[in-house]
Amino acid sequence: ELKVEQNPLFLSMQEGKNYTIYCNYSTTSDRLYWYRQDPGKSLESLFVLLSNGAVKQEGRLMASLDTKARLSTLHITAAVHDLSATYFCAVDDSQGAQKLVFGQGTRLTINP
Amino acid sequence: NAGVTQTPKFRVLKTGQSMTLLCAQDMNHEYMYWYRQDPGMGLRLIHYSVGEGTTAKGEVPDGYNVSRLKKQNFLLGLESAAPSQTSVYFCASISGGFMNTEAFFGQGTRLTVV
Repeated sequence: ELKVEQNPLFLSMQEGKNYTIYCNYSTTSDRLYWYRQDPGKSLESLFVLLSNGAVKQEGRLMASLDTKARLSTLHITAAVHDLSATYFCAVDDSQGAQKLVFGQGTRLTINP
Repeated sequence: NAGVTQTPKFRVLKTGQSMTLLCAQDMNHEYMYWYRQDPGMGLRLIHYSVGEGTTAKGEVPDGYNVSRLKKQNFLLGLESAAPSQTSVYFCASISGGFMNTEAFFGQGTRLTVV
């Protein structure tokens, strides 16, 4: 059974600092997703990572995937307040139908 | 372009009542999903469908039923609501195929069972 774990679950940081959110998963998969969720809102797709070594960047966020280590990272560079949200990683369970198994989420708060 | 639309957005039910949540997508996607989100637990898959007329159980299917009579619609039913079904429900759809993997989510339905 695929399990997905994120850490940390809560992160409070200052503007201008760098930090990384980690996503570990327990069984082989070639597809990993990162989503952002603002309070009371739906999920916004950030990145889709489809292969080992994939790296994608959008603004101050960069995501990478190491399928051998079953690890993805979401790196935040020079954080700004607008990035405050909950971030989820999700992994395709590779049993067909593209079913996603989600991590618990990382609640990120960026303070001025 | 509406994307994925859920109806209703909010609902309060009494224990034992039944209701149906509707998910409609206008992107001609093959795959559709119902998830529930509870605090601190991420999203968990309830049921899913890989095409019109097909449905399958996900991780937490008990107490729910689904139907996909039309490709664009995926209905989630609660036969006899229980307080444990208080949650936020999200519908999602995916086009299907290895490269068409982005999931589009509806805006969510906040359900409270009292």
